[in-house]
Amino acid sequence: GAVVSQHPSRVICKSGTSVKIECRSLDFQATTMFWYRQFPKQSLMLMATSNEGSKATYEQGVEKDKFLINHASLTLSTLTVTSAHPEDSSFYICSARDPSEGQETQYFGPGTRLLVL
Amino acid sequence: DAKTTQPPSMDCAEGRAANLLCNHSTISGNEYVYWYRQIHSQGPQYIIHGLKNNETNEMASLIITEDRKSSTLILPHATLRDTAVYYCIVRVGNAGNMLTFGGGTRLMVKP
Repeated sequence: GAVVSQHPSRVICKSGTSVKIECRSLDFQATTMFWYRQFPKQSLMLMATSNEGSKATYEQGVEKDKFLINHASLTLSTLTVTSAHPEDSSFYICSARDPSEGQETQYFGPGTRLLVL
Repeated sequence: DAKTTQPPSMDCAEGRAANLLCNHSTISGNEYVYWYRQIHSQGPQYIIHGLKNNETNEMASLIITEDRKSSTLILPHATLRDTAVYYCIVRVGNAGNMLTFGGGTRLMVKP
């Protein structure tokens, strides 16, 4: 199957700083990528849908000015957590759909664990 | 997308078949059944999907009941590395939209 990578795999930052997380589709072009967040012992929750060349679509309750998404190319989407606070500490996961596949299969990145001190 | 119901957890002995059940009684005709799993601290991994017919690949088999109201994911010979949370998701194929994750089933494979 297709491969999606994320960088960094884990990051520790101070409260008030901004953190950028990259999501790349390595062997296919993805017009749409998705960003999820997962707190300990909970399921994945969709944060936003990242569309190449246009603005991201955010889920209800997710602040677009705090979680900046840029989908600048068909293989890269970035999520920037601005002015991070301890409550933003979580596991952030992206996924991408390979449109060349006949069916709707999404591939997930390995996740980025963010710890805000 | 239709809602799914899965048992919160189950145990399985190593080498035995693991049968994971998913109920999706409100599934509509154009919705597929997808299975993903998430090993601890990793991103979800696609396993298999199907519409009506049973499906098999190198990872697992998917059995969908004739009325499509439930399905079973079968790992024929579970190993310790199969310990994970397994998510059953029902959604329209080729819709281009996100996946909605429920609670999943936490499978523990024991030696």
